Amino acid sequence: EAGVTQFPSHSVIEKGQTVTLRCDPISGHDNLYWYRRVMGKEIKFLLHFVKESKQDESGMPNNRFLAERTGGTYSTLKVQPAELEDSGVYFCASSQAETWNRYEQYFGPGTRLTVT
Amino acid sequence: LAKTTQPISMDSYEGQEVNITCSHNNIATNDYITWYQQFPSQGPRFIIQGYKTKVTNEVASLFIPADRKSSTLSLPRVSLSDTAVYYCLVGDPISGNTPLVFGKGTRLSVIA
Repeated sequence: EAGVTQFPSHSVIEKGQTVTLRCDPISGHDNLYWYRRVMGKEIKFLLHFVKESKQDESGMPNNRFLAERTGGTYSTLKVQPAELEDSGVYFCASSQAETWNRYEQYFGPGTRLTVT
Repeated sequence: LAKTTQPISMDSYEGQEVNITCSHNNIATNDYITWYQQFPSQGPRFIIQGYKTKVTNEVASLFIPADRKSSTLSLPRVSLSDTAVYYCLVGDPISGNTPLVFGKGTRLSVIA
């Protein structure tokens, strides 16, 4: 069974540009999460999808970040325009629909974003 | 959310049993304790989860005392490949809607 995949693995962009990160969850996982770790900080929750609906987006830092999950399959996280402080590693995770398993999440390898 | 406190780092020789203790004094009644492992350049990986007493799987054991104010992750006979950061997380995965909250974790270094 394929795990959570993320694309790209690394992106380097200039301040002010736009970047779109993609996450493909494990097939059949209704729950999809985005996290990020900025340099020297802990991994922070960004948002949670249940199928195509945003269940919790309390961790989204500002309106420069837009997450979508059309059709309830893969998800994209767009940063527009990117700022220097957006640099970090963005993780995606997925979990099964049953709430008991909600904390048993399967993480992707992450996308390293560097904004110069 | 219950705050967790765990050692910043630990060193161990190969073949030893490693115990990492996490304190969570204000754990709530419905909270569970979840441990994740993270290797360099990878995403975190779920290891084990428990509510009380002892939980064991093929990777580790989790010991939770009756007052649940702390928990201990036990890794039997560690190898070099167990070198990683280990995170203790506390939250309600069933009735609540709280996301996973990662702290700084414990950096375990296994040496030959």
